[in-house]
Amino acid sequence: AQKVTQAQTEISVVEKEDVTLDCVYETRDTTYYLFWYKQPPSGELVFLIRRNSFDEQNEISGRYSWNFQKSTSSFNFTITASQVVDSAVYFCALSEAGRGSNFGNEKLTFGTGTRLTIIP
Amino acid sequence: SAVISQKPSRDICQRGTSLTIQCQVDSQVTMMFWYRQQPGQSLTLIATANQGSEATYESGFVIDKFPISRPNLTFSTLTVSNMSPEDSSIYLCSANRVGEQYFGPGTRLTVT
Repeated sequence: AQKVTQAQTEISVVEKEDVTLDCVYETRDTTYYLFWYKQPPSGELVFLIRRNSFDEQNEISGRYSWNFQKSTSSFNFTITASQVVDSAVYFCALSEAGRGSNFGNEKLTFGTGTRLTIIP
Repeated sequence: SAVISQKPSRDICQRGTSLTIQCQVDSQVTMMFWYRQQPGQSLTLIATANQGSEATYESGFVIDKFPISRPNLTFSTLTVSNMSPEDSSIYLCSANRVGEQYFGPGTRLTVT
């Protein structure tokens, strides 16, 4: 069975500080995908990134970066120079790779989320 | 990114009644997914809706309580039947586009 653990329930940092959100996953599949989503107070889920299990290169997008380490089954998310608009709940998610007709249509297993508050 | 809309955006319903939530995707997709997010909790998959076949329900969710329709490749509905206060949640639909899974804005349901 798949499992995603986000041990940090809540984090508060002062604006402009860097912050890292942890995500540890469990799966028996050799091919899988990892995701991060942002859920601001308005409630919608905003897609941030999708990573497949064969690509361990770190990803950077503006102030966001992701560190994927298969050896520790972790997919951590760092926000550099945080801003108040980064305040949200962040979810890490995992899906197994679909096969055959299910390829590209994988269901997600979510972690419990980390509530990030950026203090002005 | 895929554009997914849901109706209604929110509703307050009395216990014992049913509510049907609509989900519209801006392009054809093979599968659509329905998730529930209880207050302050994470998202839990209710079922997977494949066009032209019965929905596949996750453990703990049954068709009598959450019937789903999938009449075409861009539309799906989820009905929450015989509601109780425990059904108060956000219900979200989602669909994949080029391997990236996008979500609708959600339907906030309050059952009194």
